[in-house]
Amino acid sequence: DQQVKQNSPSLSVQEGRISILNCDYTNSMFDYFLWYKKYPAEGPTFLISISSIKDKNEDGRFTVFLNKSAKHLSLHIVPSQPGDSAVYFCAASEGNNDMRFGAGTRLTVKP
Amino acid sequence: SQTIHQWPATLVQPVGSPLSLECTVEGTSNPNLYWYRQAAGRGLQLLFYSVGIGQISSEVPQNLSASRPQDRQFILSSKKLLLSDSGFYLCAWSHPPTGPKNYEQYFGPGTRLTVT
Repeated sequence: DQQVKQNSPSLSVQEGRISILNCDYTNSMFDYFLWYKKYPAEGPTFLISISSIKDKNEDGRFTVFLNKSAKHLSLHIVPSQPGDSAVYFCAASEGNNDMRFGAGTRLTVKP
Repeated sequence: SQTIHQWPATLVQPVGSPLSLECTVEGTSNPNLYWYRQAAGRGLQLLFYSVGIGQISSEVPQNLSASRPQDRQFILSSKKLLLSDSGFYLCAWSHPPTGPKNYEQYFGPGTRLTVT
């Protein structure tokens, strides 16, 4: 069963505009959420995370929002840059060992 | 600083042949170790994780197996590969539960496996 869903397989935005990537989850026991960025033929790299006790975490151009009642989180990138073009994976964890990943969203930032 | 190594980077194997992928981590002790597979157009599927030497948990039934002969070594194996085993295999590590940032996982460069 897919406990973490990224319903948009791709997203295209113009350079300088905001990119919003969405993620939904079904397991209310998830207590930590992460976003990973992946370039082709490379392993994912950690981008930003948020604990379930918070609703927002910001790191430079990247902000993650968590809406627990809706079981929804989003990643905002502003302003978007061409180098941000990659596949973004949402992940959720219940405890340290059990992390579930979404299918990923391919972001393309056009110059 | 910590680094994670995976090899080989690419592998082409015939159906029915054995498989051995190796992953090693440097710069940390007693890490949690993970094997993931990314099939074409799909997300990351957790295959195995390990919290210590000889301790392996399997997430999905399959013809793959994992072993952890040393603290920072994780091996993914198969006795007979299937066509459906093709994919991108990723090893990852995280700090042990008592360590800092224990939720974040750090991934290796991956192995592209094609079964023909």
